[in-house]
Amino acid sequence: DAGVIQSPRHEVTEMGQEVTLRCKPISGHDYLFWYRQTMMRGLELLIYFNNNVPIDDSGMPEDRFSAKMPNASFSTLKIQPSEPRDSAVYFCASSSSRGAPLGSYNEQFFGPGTRLTVL
Amino acid sequence: DAKTTQPNSMESNEEEPVHLPCNHSTISGTDYIHWYRQLPSQGPEYVIHGLTSNVNNRMASLAIAEDRKSSTLILHRATLRDAAVYYCILRDYGGSQGNLIFGKGTKLSVKP
Repeated sequence: DAGVIQSPRHEVTEMGQEVTLRCKPISGHDYLFWYRQTMMRGLELLIYFNNNVPIDDSGMPEDRFSAKMPNASFSTLKIQPSEPRDSAVYFCASSSSRGAPLGSYNEQFFGPGTRLTVL
Repeated sequence: DAKTTQPNSMESNEEEPVHLPCNHSTISGTDYIHWYRQLPSQGPEYVIHGLTSNVNNRMASLAIAEDRKSSTLILHRATLRDAAVYYCILRDYGGSQGNLIFGKGTKLSVKP
């Protein structure tokens, strides 16, 4: 299995531009998560999907951020317009609910991340 | 989810055991204890999790105190590849699949 795939790995853009980050979860996983990591705030959950449906987007910082999951094998995180404070590493993760003992959780598998720099 | 407290950093020598502590004095009866680690320039990866009993897997062991207010992640023989930030996270089994709440973790350095 190739694991969670994210693209691009690095993105440098100018303030005001639209940025789209892409994620392909592990095949068969029914949960997909978007996280952001900065030195100041650490790792924080932005949004997560179950069976392609957004479940909790309370971590999305503001309306400039949007996420979609049009099918089970693809998700995007879009920032429009981008600002310098959006510079961070964005991680996508996926997990499966199958086989988890009652009351337990299956592990989340993280992608390698996209390092975004907004100038 | 209840809060965890970990030391900011620890050092170890290669091939020696490492005990990474985590305090979670406000843990509830339905909280699982999870450990993830993040190697430099990589995404976090799952290490181990448990509820009440000690747990072992190929990566590590998890020792949980009888009152569950603390736990210890044990790496039996540290290697240079184990240098990472280790996160102790509580997850309520009554909650959802989401919301891994990462604290600052413990940065482990391994000396050759």
